[in-house]
Amino acid sequence: AQSVTQLGSHVSVSEGALVLLRCNYSSSVPPYLFWYVQYPNQGLQLLLKYTTGATLVKGINGFEAEFKKSETSFHLTKPSAHMSDAAEYFCAVSRSGNTDKLIFGTGTRLQVFP
Amino acid sequence: DGGITQSPKYLFRKEGQNVTLSCEQNLNHDAMYWYRQDPGQGLRLIYYSQIVNDFQKGDIAEGYSVSREKKESFPLTVTSAQKNPTAFYLCASSTASGSGNEQFFGPGTRLTVL
Repeated sequence: AQSVTQLGSHVSVSEGALVLLRCNYSSSVPPYLFWYVQYPNQGLQLLLKYTTGATLVKGINGFEAEFKKSETSFHLTKPSAHMSDAAEYFCAVSRSGNTDKLIFGTGTRLQVFP
Repeated sequence: DGGITQSPKYLFRKEGQNVTLSCEQNLNHDAMYWYRQDPGQGLRLIYYSQIVNDFQKGDIAEGYSVSREKKESFPLTVTSAQKNPTAFYLCASSTASGSGNEQFFGPGTRLTVL
């Protein structure tokens, strides 16, 4: 069975500091991995995804993530945080089979201080 | 503009009443999904549909029902059998090829049981 673990339900950084949000997955088959962002009382928006190919994936708003098979990780990073990055972030893995069903982590709330 | 709409944005229900949440998409996607979001628990799959007139239970289907009579519509009914229905409900859609396609999310409906 596939699963996702996000380490740290809350992360706080200063504006301009590095953002690092951690995600580890468990999958018996090559996974498809996703990072979504959610602003308060809104739906989710895709930041980036890994399917196959290059393991360093660049997304929107300056975010990127690296797929590390040996560590079963897909951590999300951004070199310099902006106030507008404050939101909740979800890591997700696609289930095996012929559908696009996703398993989500429990989310990490990012706070950015001036 | 293509996208997913959910209505209403806020919904209040008395205990013992059934209520239906609307989800419409004009992305021409085959697959549609309903998730429930509770604080600290991420998103949990209620029902999904890969094609018109067909749908499957997700992880927490008890107390919910759906229909898929049209490709663009996937309404969710929260029945009186759902013991704790107060939550944020998100609808999503994707092309159902199973190749790691992203899910597109609607803005959500916040249901409160009084």
